[in-house]
Formats: sequence, C-alpha cells, structure tokens
Amino acid sequence: AQKVTQAQTEISVVEKEDVTLDCVYETRDTTYYLFWYKQPPSGELVFLIRRNSFDEQNEISGRYSWNFQKSTSSFNFTITASQVVDSAVYFCALTPAYQGAQKLVFGQGTRLTINP
Amino acid sequence: EPEVTQTPSHQVTQMGQEVILRCVPISNHLYFYWYRQILGQKVEFLVSFYNNEISEKSEIFDDQFSVERPDGSNFTLKIRSTKLEDSAMYFCASSDLLGLAVETQYFGPGTRLLVL
Repeated sequence: AQKVTQAQTEISVVEKEDVTLDCVYETRDTTYYLFWYKQPPSGELVFLIRRNSFDEQNEISGRYSWNFQKSTSSFNFTITASQVVDSAVYFCALTPAYQGAQKLVFGQGTRLTINP
Repeated sequence: EPEVTQTPSHQVTQMGQEVILRCVPISNHLYFYWYRQILGQKVEFLVSFYNNEISEKSEIFDDQFSVERPDGSNFTLKIRSTKLEDSAMYFCASSDLLGLAVETQYFGPGTRLLVL
C-alpha cells in the first residue's frame, strides 16, 4: 500500500521568511513519481512539480526548491523569501510509475499562511 | 494553454436526487480521473478511466457512482442517489502517456457539491 504523510498541518510565517514543507512517503514500488500540488483559496489544484524515483537531483524553480531523498523517503518543498501569494494548502502526492492510468495518493496537506 | 474544465462550479441538491458532474479533459489526453475532497480534508481518488472503461476504482466508488464518456470530449460522473456524506469538492483530472511514461495529471477547477 502507498501512503503519503505531511506531518505539518498548518504553518504560519511572516513574509520574506523561508519555509519548508515536509513530505514523507511509503511505497513498495521500485519506480514511482512524486508530486507537489498547490491549492489556493479559490480551490483549484495547481501542479507544481513531478519527480521520478530515479532522479534524486534537487530542483530549483525561482523561489521554489525541492529536496528528494530516497534514503529517508522524503520529498520536501522549500519556499524562499515567501510572499503573501504563496498562502495556500500544499499537497504532496505519489503514484507508481507503471504504464496506464494510475491513481494519485495524496497527503493530508499543509496549510501555509504568509502574513504581511 | 489547454486546461481541464468542469461544470457546474457549484451544485446544491436534495438527498436522494441524482446529480451529473461534467468535465472536459485536455483534448489529446487519454486517461481520465475523478477525485473528491471533503471540506478540509485530503484529496481522495475515486476512479480512473481509459479506453472507454474503468481502469481502477476506490472503495468510495460504490454502485451509486458511475462514469461515462458520452462523446469525444466530455467525461461525466453520476451519483444516482445522493447522500449527505457525498457533499464535497469533486475534481476531474486528465493525463497523457508519453511512451511508457506516466504523465502528470492536470486537474480541473472542481465542482462543489452540497447535498441537503
């Protein structure tokens, strides 16, 4: 069975602070994909990043960076110099990398509030 | 940029009534999904659909639920006799296949269903 745990239910920081959202996963699959999605107050789910289990290189996209560590089954997400617009619920998700339609297993989400 | 669309954005219904939620996936995508999110909770997989048949369904997706691709563009979720606990945000998603690689699932804006 697959499981994603986001232990931080809520985080609140002041604008311009750096913040890291934790994600720990469990899977028996040897190949899999990990994702982060953002859910702003308007409610939609916005894709942020996909990482496959073969690629442990960290990735940076502007103020966003992701740290994938297979040894600890973690895929953490850091926002540098946070802004009020970053306020949202962030979900980490997992799917096996088999051919065909595969369900995403989501974590419980972390509600991030950036205060001005 | 292509996107998944869903209608209606909000629906209020009486317990026991049938509802149909509609989705238009991204046009060249082959895999379609429904997920739901009860208020304040995580996103849960309901069903995946490929080649005009269900690929996988969760325990939530019981006999009251059905999916259909009635034409080349729409993908629908029907709830035959709604219950109070069906109140949730319902997300449609679609993905493509690139070789053997599972592609990212892109989500629609959701339909918020309220059963009274």
